[in-house]
Formats: sequence, C-alpha cells, structure tokens
Amino acid sequence: AQSVTQLGSHVSVSEGALVLLRCNYSSSVPPYLFWYVQYPNQGLQLLLKYTSAATLVKGINGFEAEFKKSETSFHLTKPSAHMSDAAEYFCAVRPSGGSYIPTFGRGTSLIVHP
Amino acid sequence: ETGVTQTPRHLVMGMTNKKSLKCEQHLGHNAMYWYKQSAKKPLELMFVYNFKEQTENNSVPSRFSPECPNSSHLFLHLHTLQPEDSALYLCASSQDLAGGPNEQYFGPGTRLTVT
Repeated sequence: AQSVTQLGSHVSVSEGALVLLRCNYSSSVPPYLFWYVQYPNQGLQLLLKYTSAATLVKGINGFEAEFKKSETSFHLTKPSAHMSDAAEYFCAVRPSGGSYIPTFGRGTSLIVHP
Repeated sequence: ETGVTQTPRHLVMGMTNKKSLKCEQHLGHNAMYWYKQSAKKPLELMFVYNFKEQTENNSVPSRFSPECPNSSHLFLHLHTLQPEDSALYLCASSQDLAGGPNEQYFGPGTRLTVT
C-alpha cells in the first residue's frame, strides 16, 4: 500500500520568497510521483511528475521537485513566489507496475503575501 | 472542446430530486474517475472505470449511481441526496490503469449544493 504525507496544511510566504512545499511518501515498489495545483473553483492541474528518468523534475510555472529516495521525499520548490501562485497543492503517489490508483495527500494551501 | 469537461458547473438540488452530472474527456483515455472534494477533507475517490468496466467502488452510498457508456463519457446519477453530499465533484481521466505514470487529467468540477 502507498501513502502520502504533506507537512503543513497552510504555507505562507511573501512575494518573491522561496516556496517549499513538503511531501513524503511510502510505497512498497518504486513510485511515480506527482504534484498537482488547484486554483479556486477549478479542477486539479498537473504541475510535474517523477518517472525515474531524472531525480530533479521541472514543471510548469517555474516549479520543480526533487526525488530523494533515501528520505522518501518529493518536495516542491519555486525560487520566487508570485501572487498568482496562491492555490492548493496536492502531492500524489502511484506505484509503478500493476493496476493501481494514485493516492493523494491532503493538500497544502499556499498563501502569498504582497 | 479539449481536455476534460464537466456539466453542469453548478447544481442546486433538493433532497428528493434526481439529477445527473456529466463528464466528457477528449484525450483518448481509457480510464475515468469520480472524486468528491469536501471542504477541509482529503480528496475522496468514489468510482473508477477502465475500458468502460467499473474497477473501483469506494464504499459509496447507493444514492450515487455511476454510468460509463463508453470510454469518453462518464455520468454520476444522483437521487435522494443528503446535505452532507454537498461538495465539489471532480471527474478525471488517465490513459488506463496499466504501466506507466498514467497521470490524471481533471475536469473543472461540478459544485453541488443539496438543500
């Protein structure tokens, strides 16, 4: 079975500051990992995905995430926050192989202050 | 239309009404999902269809009835709902449930209010 833990239900940063959203996972087999973003009253949009090709994954809107197997982590970062980054962010894990459904974290709300 | 579309975007219904939510994907995918998203709760998987066959029913009450007539369309039929069923209902699709990352593509959701 797999699980995802997102540390911090809310993260608050100033515009221009570093964004760091944490995600730790557990999986019995090598995982696929995803970050999604959800803006108010919208569905989830894929930001980036890890598929074992490279440990540092670049996504849309300047976000990137690094897969660290030893720490079972897949934290999301962005060097400089914009007001438009304010949204809910979800980490998800899906074990490689087999017919598995992804498991989502509870989400982290990113608040960006002017 | 591109991606995943959902209609209606907003729905208000009484507890004795019958209504349906519609989802359509234009991505050539074979797996489709219904999720419920309530305030302050994690995303809840409700149903999964793969090649039109239901593969997951996550202990969803029978007042929710899914239908998948083909790989592009997914419906959620609603009847005698309760106020606690008020939520954002999200539809998603992915290539299938087999190997590969199979990332999901989500629709914009239907905001359901049960009065």
